[in-house]
Amino acid sequence: TQLLEQSPQFLSIQEGENLTVYCNSSSVFSSLQWYRQEPGEGPVLLVTVVTGGEVKKLKRLTFQFGDARKDSSLHITAAQPGDTGLYLCAGGHYQLIWGAGTKLIIKP
Amino acid sequence: KAGVTQTPRYLIKTRGQQVTLSCSPISGHRSVSWYQQTPGQGLQFLFEYFSETQRNKGNFPGRFSGRQFSNSRSEMNVSTLELGDSALYLCASSLVQATDTQYFGPGTRLTVL
Repeated sequence: TQLLEQSPQFLSIQEGENLTVYCNSSSVFSSLQWYRQEPGEGPVLLVTVVTGGEVKKLKRLTFQFGDARKDSSLHITAAQPGDTGLYLCAGGHYQLIWGAGTKLIIKP
Repeated sequence: KAGVTQTPRYLIKTRGQQVTLSCSPISGHRSVSWYQQTPGQGLQFLFEYFSETQRNKGNFPGRFSGRQFSNSRSEMNVSTLELGDSALYLCASSLVQATDTQYFGPGTRLTVL
C-alpha cells in the first residue's frame, strides 16, 4: 500500500516567520501535486512537480521534489495570514495517493 | 469556464436513510472522482469514473456507490447511513487521467443524526 506522510500535522506561527512542510513516502511517484484548502471550499492546486530534484517557486512558496521522487517539501517565506489553510500533497502513480494534510495557521 | 458544482451543499439525514449527491464537472472533463473528508481521516478516495465506467475504487463498503452519465455528470449514493458517514463529500473533475490536476467542487456537508 502506498502511503504519503505529511508533517507536521498542525503548525501555528506568527506572521513573518518561515516554515517548511514535508511530504514523505517509501514509494516512487511519477508526479507530486500540492493543494491548499480553505474552510468551506475544496482544495485548489498550487503546483505539480514531475522531475526528481525539481524546484518550483510560486511567489513566497518554494516547492521541491526529492531526487528519488519519493518526497517533497513546501517552504513558505515570510508567512502571511492569507497563507492560512490546509495544505495537502498528492502523489501520482496510476491514481492519486493523498497525504493527511498540514493545517497551517498564520497569526497576525 | 464554470467550475465544478455540487448539490446540495448541506444535507441532514438520520441513520438508516439513504442519500444521493450530485456533481457536475468542468465542461470537457471526463474523469470524476469522489472523496470523503473528515477531521480524523483526512481526504479519503471513494471512487473515480471515466466514460460512465468506474475506473478506480477506494476502500469503502458497498453502501457507497456511484455512477456517471454520458454528459460526465456524476452521482454518488450512500445507503443505510451510519453516524460515521457524517463528512464533507468532495467531487473533483480532471481532463482524462486520474492523476491529472483535480478541480474540486465546494463539497456537500452531510450530517447523519
